[in-house]
Amino acid sequence: EPEVTQTPSHQVTQMGQEVILRCVPISNHLYFYWYRQILGQKVEFLVSFYNNEISEKSEIFDDQFSVERPDGSNFTLKIRSTKLEDSAMYFCASSDGTDDEQFFGPGTRLTVL
Amino acid sequence: QKEVEQNSGPLSVPEGAIASLNCTYSDRGSQSFFWYRQYSGKSPELIMSIYSNGDKEDGRFTAQLNKASQYVSLLIRDSQPSDSATYLCAVTERADGLTFGKGTHLIIQP
Repeated sequence: EPEVTQTPSHQVTQMGQEVILRCVPISNHLYFYWYRQILGQKVEFLVSFYNNEISEKSEIFDDQFSVERPDGSNFTLKIRSTKLEDSAMYFCASSDGTDDEQFFGPGTRLTVL
Repeated sequence: QKEVEQNSGPLSVPEGAIASLNCTYSDRGSQSFFWYRQYSGKSPELIMSIYSNGDKEDGRFTAQLNKASQYVSLLIRDSQPSDSATYLCAVTERADGLTFGKGTHLIIQP
Protein backbone atom coordinates (compact mmCIF):
# COMPACT_ATOMS: atom_id res chain seq x y z
CA GLU A 1 0.00 0.00 0.00
CA PRO A 2 1.43 3.43 -0.92
CA GLU A 3 2.58 5.52 2.02
CA VAL A 4 4.14 8.84 2.85
CA THR A 5 7.78 8.59 3.90
CA GLN A 6 9.86 11.10 5.86
CA THR A 7 13.55 11.52 6.57
CA PRO A 8 15.28 11.73 8.91
CA SER A 9 13.29 10.08 11.69
CA HIS A 10 15.15 12.14 14.28
CA GLN A 11 17.11 15.36 13.82
CA VAL A 12 19.12 17.05 16.56
CA THR A 13 20.37 20.57 15.90
CA GLN A 14 21.78 23.56 17.70
CA MET A 15 19.70 26.69 18.17
CA GLY A 16 20.16 29.06 15.24
CA GLN A 17 21.04 26.34 12.74
CA GLU A 18 19.08 25.61 9.58
CA VAL A 19 17.31 22.28 9.16
CA ILE A 20 15.61 20.68 6.19
CA LEU A 21 13.00 18.00 6.75
CA ARG A 22 12.20 15.78 3.82
CA CYS A 23 9.05 14.02 2.73
CA VAL A 24 8.06 11.81 -0.20
CA PRO A 25 4.27 12.05 -0.60
CA ILE A 26 2.15 9.28 -2.10
CA SER A 27 2.95 9.28 -5.81
CA ASN A 28 -0.40 10.26 -7.37
CA HIS A 29 -1.26 12.84 -4.71
CA LEU A 30 -1.45 16.53 -5.58
CA TYR A 31 -1.88 18.25 -2.22
CA PHE A 32 0.89 18.32 0.36
CA TYR A 33 0.89 19.47 3.96
CA TRP A 34 3.17 20.00 6.93
CA TYR A 35 1.99 19.75 10.52
CA ARG A 36 3.77 19.83 13.84
CA GLN A 37 2.99 18.36 17.24
CA ILE A 38 4.77 19.66 20.30
CA LEU A 39 5.08 16.95 22.95
CA GLY A 40 1.78 16.53 24.80
CA GLN A 41 -0.06 19.01 22.60
CA LYS A 42 -2.37 18.82 19.62
CA VAL A 43 -1.41 18.44 15.98
CA GLU A 44 -1.11 21.91 14.40
CA PHE A 45 -1.35 22.79 10.72
CA LEU A 46 1.61 24.68 9.25
CA VAL A 47 1.21 24.90 5.50
CA SER A 48 -0.46 23.39 2.46
CA PHE A 49 1.04 23.22 -1.02
CA TYR A 50 -0.65 22.66 -4.34
CA ASN A 51 0.39 23.19 -7.95
CA ASN A 52 3.88 24.28 -6.89
CA GLU A 53 2.77 27.04 -4.58
CA ILE A 54 1.60 27.58 -1.03
CA SER A 55 -2.20 27.44 -0.90
CA GLU A 56 -2.67 28.11 2.80
CA LYS A 57 -0.48 28.77 5.81
CA SER A 58 -1.07 29.18 9.52
CA GLU A 59 0.18 31.88 11.88
CA ILE A 60 2.92 29.47 12.97
CA PHE A 61 4.39 29.43 9.46
CA ASP A 62 6.36 32.66 9.64
CA ASP A 63 9.37 33.89 7.65
CA GLN A 64 11.61 31.31 9.32
CA PHE A 65 9.79 28.54 7.49
CA SER A 66 9.76 27.69 3.80
CA VAL A 67 8.60 24.77 1.70
CA GLU A 68 9.76 23.49 -1.63
CA ARG A 69 9.07 20.70 -4.08
CA PRO A 70 12.55 20.45 -5.61
CA ASP A 71 11.70 17.55 -7.91
CA GLY A 72 8.79 15.30 -8.82
CA SER A 73 8.88 13.28 -5.65
CA ASN A 74 10.26 15.25 -2.69
CA PHE A 75 8.56 17.89 -0.55
CA THR A 76 10.72 19.73 1.96
CA LEU A 77 10.26 21.97 4.99
CA LYS A 78 13.13 24.31 5.83
CA ILE A 79 13.52 26.09 9.13
CA ARG A 80 16.10 28.83 8.64
CA SER A 81 17.20 29.60 12.18
CA THR A 82 15.87 27.09 14.68
CA LYS A 83 14.63 28.09 18.11
CA LEU A 84 14.20 25.95 21.21
CA GLU A 85 10.43 26.14 20.75
CA ASP A 86 10.71 24.53 17.30
CA SER A 87 11.36 21.21 19.04
CA ALA A 88 8.45 19.01 18.00
CA MET A 89 7.34 16.14 15.78
CA TYR A 90 6.89 17.32 12.22
CA PHE A 91 4.46 15.38 10.07
CA CYS A 92 4.09 15.50 6.32
CA ALA A 93 0.74 14.55 4.82
CA SER A 94 -0.63 14.21 1.31
CA SER A 95 -4.01 14.00 -0.37
CA ASP A 96 -5.26 13.24 -3.87
CA GLY A 97 -7.78 16.06 -3.42
CA THR A 98 -10.89 14.08 -4.32
CA ASP A 99 -12.22 13.66 -0.79
CA ASP A 100 -9.89 15.71 1.43
CA GLU A 101 -8.52 12.58 3.12
CA GLN A 102 -4.96 13.26 4.24
CA PHE A 103 -2.46 10.50 4.90
CA PHE A 104 0.38 11.15 7.29
CA GLY A 105 4.00 10.10 7.21
CA PRO A 106 5.76 8.67 10.28
CA GLY A 107 7.15 12.05 11.28
CA THR A 108 10.52 13.62 12.03
CA ARG A 109 11.33 14.34 15.64
CA LEU A 110 13.23 17.65 15.74
CA THR A 111 15.21 18.42 18.87
CA VAL A 112 16.73 21.91 19.15
CA LEU A 113 19.43 22.26 21.79
CA GLN B 1 -10.37 31.11 15.23
CA LYS B 2 -11.29 27.55 14.26
CA GLU B 3 -11.64 25.28 17.27
CA VAL B 4 -12.24 21.58 17.71
CA GLU B 5 -13.11 20.41 21.20
CA GLN B 6 -12.73 16.92 22.60
CA ASN B 7 -12.83 15.49 26.09
CA SER B 8 -9.22 14.54 26.79
CA GLY B 9 -10.17 11.53 28.95
CA PRO B 10 -8.92 9.03 29.75
CA LEU B 11 -12.02 7.12 28.70
CA SER B 12 -11.89 3.61 30.10
CA VAL B 13 -14.06 0.94 28.42
CA PRO B 14 -14.21 -2.83 29.10
CA GLU B 15 -13.11 -5.15 26.31
CA GLY B 16 -16.04 -6.06 24.07
CA ALA B 17 -18.07 -2.96 24.98
CA ILE B 18 -18.88 0.07 22.82
CA ALA B 19 -16.57 3.08 23.07
CA SER B 20 -18.19 6.44 22.31
CA LEU B 21 -16.02 9.43 21.41
CA ASN B 22 -17.31 12.94 20.82
CA CYS B 23 -16.15 16.15 19.22
CA THR B 24 -17.58 19.63 18.58
CA TYR B 25 -16.27 22.19 16.11
CA SER B 26 -16.68 25.93 15.77
CA ASP B 27 -16.34 26.63 12.04
CA ARG B 28 -19.69 26.29 10.29
CA GLY B 29 -17.86 26.33 6.95
CA SER B 30 -16.30 22.94 7.70
CA GLN B 31 -17.10 20.41 4.99
CA SER B 32 -15.07 17.33 5.80
CA PHE B 33 -14.70 15.51 9.09
CA PHE B 34 -12.20 12.86 10.10
CA TRP B 35 -11.23 10.57 12.93
CA TYR B 36 -7.58 9.66 13.31
CA ARG B 37 -6.03 7.19 15.71
CA GLN B 38 -2.64 8.01 17.20
CA TYR B 39 -0.58 5.57 19.20
CA SER B 40 2.00 7.06 21.54
CA GLY B 41 5.01 8.33 19.61
CA LYS B 42 3.43 7.55 16.24
CA SER B 43 1.75 9.56 13.50
CA PRO B 44 -2.01 10.03 13.07
CA GLU B 45 -3.66 7.18 11.18
CA LEU B 46 -6.90 7.89 9.31
CA ILE B 47 -9.71 5.57 10.39
CA MET B 48 -12.93 7.30 9.32
CA SER B 49 -14.10 10.17 7.15
CA ILE B 50 -17.61 11.64 6.98
CA TYR B 51 -19.02 14.46 4.87
CA SER B 52 -22.81 14.52 5.26
CA ASN B 53 -25.24 14.36 8.15
CA GLY B 54 -26.02 10.93 9.50
CA ASP B 55 -24.10 7.76 10.16
CA LYS B 56 -21.30 6.07 8.27
CA GLU B 57 -20.22 2.56 9.18
CA ASP B 58 -16.93 0.81 8.40
CA GLY B 59 -16.39 -2.49 10.15
CA ARG B 60 -16.44 -1.94 13.91
CA PHE B 61 -16.40 1.84 13.49
CA THR B 62 -19.36 4.18 13.03
CA ALA B 63 -18.96 7.91 12.52
CA GLN B 64 -21.89 10.25 13.12
CA LEU B 65 -22.22 13.84 11.94
CA ASN B 66 -24.72 16.53 12.89
CA LYS B 67 -23.84 19.80 11.16
CA ALA B 68 -26.67 21.73 12.80
CA SER B 69 -25.24 20.90 16.24
CA GLN B 70 -21.64 21.06 14.94
CA TYR B 71 -21.06 17.65 16.45
CA VAL B 72 -19.12 14.59 15.31
CA SER B 73 -18.88 11.27 17.08
CA LEU B 74 -17.16 7.92 16.70
CA LEU B 75 -18.46 4.62 18.01
CA ILE B 76 -16.17 1.62 18.30
CA ARG B 77 -18.04 -1.65 18.72
CA ASP B 78 -16.56 -4.80 20.29
CA SER B 79 -13.64 -2.78 21.65
CA GLN B 80 -10.28 -4.56 21.66
CA PRO B 81 -7.15 -3.83 23.71
CA SER B 82 -5.45 -2.83 20.45
CA ASP B 83 -7.98 0.03 20.17
CA SER B 84 -6.29 1.69 23.15
CA ALA B 85 -4.91 4.92 21.69
CA THR B 86 -5.61 8.63 21.39
CA TYR B 87 -8.42 9.45 18.96
CA LEU B 88 -8.14 12.74 17.14
CA CYS B 89 -11.08 14.56 15.59
CA ALA B 90 -10.15 16.76 12.63
CA VAL B 91 -12.16 19.07 10.38
CA THR B 92 -11.48 21.09 7.26
CA GLU B 93 -13.02 23.18 4.55
CA ARG B 94 -12.29 22.01 1.04
CA ALA B 95 -8.64 20.94 0.63
CA ASP B 96 -7.48 23.18 3.49
CA GLY B 97 -5.28 22.22 6.38
CA LEU B 98 -6.89 20.09 9.07
CA THR B 99 -7.87 21.60 12.41
CA PHE B 100 -7.37 18.98 15.10
CA GLY B 101 -8.78 18.55 18.56
CA LYS B 102 -6.48 17.65 21.43
CA GLY B 103 -7.68 14.06 21.27
CA THR B 104 -9.39 11.62 23.62
CA HIS B 105 -7.22 9.01 25.30
CA LEU B 106 -9.08 5.68 25.13
CA ILE B 107 -8.15 2.73 27.34
CA ILE B 108 -9.70 -0.69 26.68
CA GLN B 109 -9.57 -2.81 29.81
CA PRO B 110 -9.02 -6.56 29.14
